[in-house]
Amino acid sequence: NAGVTQTPKFQVLKTGQSMTLQCAQDMNHNSMYWYRQDPGMGLRLIYYSASEGTTDKGEVPNGYNVSRLNKREFSLRLESAAPSQTSVYFCASSEIWGTDAFFGQGTRLTVV
Amino acid sequence: GEDVEQSLFLSVREGDSSVINCTYTDSSSTYLYWYKQEPGAGLQLLTYIFSNMDMKQDQRLTVLLNKKDKHLSLRIADTQTGDSAIYFCAALGEGSQGNLIFGKGTKLSVKP
Repeated sequence: NAGVTQTPKFQVLKTGQSMTLQCAQDMNHNSMYWYRQDPGMGLRLIYYSASEGTTDKGEVPNGYNVSRLNKREFSLRLESAAPSQTSVYFCASSEIWGTDAFFGQGTRLTVV
Repeated sequence: GEDVEQSLFLSVREGDSSVINCTYTDSSSTYLYWYKQEPGAGLQLLTYIFSNMDMKQDQRLTVLLNKKDKHLSLRIADTQTGDSAIYFCAALGEGSQGNLIFGKGTKLSVKP
């Protein structure tokens, strides 16, 4: 029973490099989310996908793109990484009515 | 939009009760949640309460909801050192997309 799986767990990038964070869920949930967590800021929503084929911006979408590849997978792409994107990134999934959200273990990203 | 506020720190002695408080702004929030995050780990759902309930109890955890004042609290009875973590309050935001709005988190420190 894997739940929500994120890869990689850790990553160090140089400024300007690109990378894709992967997320997969095995609970057949419609909705998936990407959050970032910064000290003293709590979790902030980057993008979400209410269903397969749809994506919407959250609170802090600048510098990111997303792809809802299928119902299971939701990826987050940084096209040109910046030090301000150093953060811990969490993927989550839930039923559309949001009775709860299950979180992955997070990806700790450092941009130098 | 929804805003969720929490105090940032709480320190208690082992065996005492802990009470973590949260306020939210959107009176139409349907579900309210408490998550626990241990150092270096993802978020773990502790409990949630539906907005038509006043109280929910689950073993050592008691959630109280004052809908009139938009105030939510989490009481942990007989607090143990293993309860030391950051606790996040979250509310289901507008639009029923299952998007959770998080507070900044309360760091609970339990002293032996």
